[in-house]
Amino acid sequence: AQSVAQPEDQVNVAEGNPLTVKCTYSVSGNPYLFWYVQYPNRGLQFLLKYITGDNLVKGSYGFEAEFNKSQTSFHLKKPSALVSDSALYFCAVRDNTGRRALTFGSGTRLQVQP
Amino acid sequence: GAGVSQSPRYKVAKRGQDVALRCDPISGHVSLFWYQQALGQGPEFLTYFQNEAQLDKSGLPSDRFFAERPEGSVSTLKIQRTQQEDSAVYLCASSSTRDILSYEQYFGPGTRLTVT
Repeated sequence: AQSVAQPEDQVNVAEGNPLTVKCTYSVSGNPYLFWYVQYPNRGLQFLLKYITGDNLVKGSYGFEAEFNKSQTSFHLKKPSALVSDSALYFCAVRDNTGRRALTFGSGTRLQVQP
Repeated sequence: GAGVSQSPRYKVAKRGQDVALRCDPISGHVSLFWYQQALGQGPEFLTYFQNEAQLDKSGLPSDRFFAERPEGSVSTLKIQRTQQEDSAVYLCASSSTRDILSYEQYFGPGTRLTVT
């Protein structure tokens, strides 16, 4: 069975500082990895994905993530945080078989202080 | 273009009532997913359609949950004899499988179900 761990319930960072939101995964075979962001009373918005190729993937709003196969991690990063980045972030994984369901982590709340 | 829409946005049901939740996917998306998100948790997979075929229903928690997509576009998630533990946000997502690398799912705003 596949699983995702987001070890931090909340991450606090000052505006302008770099941010990292951690994610590790477990899956059979090669993983397909995703980050989503959720704002209050809104659905999940897709940020970025890793399917194959370059381990560093860039996504929306200046976010990027690094796929590390040996550490089974896919940490989300941004060089300079904005107050508007404050939201709930979810990491998700699916395997490369025909099963298309995503397995999500429990989420990390990012709080960016002005 | 228009995203995934869901209705109603909020639903309050008395324990034992039946409810029906609607999802309109992005036009042309052949794949449709339902997820359940309990308070403070990540979404959990319920079921998946490719066009009108329900290919995976392994996440449905009981036989009180039923989903359909008869014409391969709009989908309805039905919960019979609702229980308090059914209270959650129900998220619908769609994706296009025409592009083999386009695996991301696009989510609607969700329906918040409260069972009293």
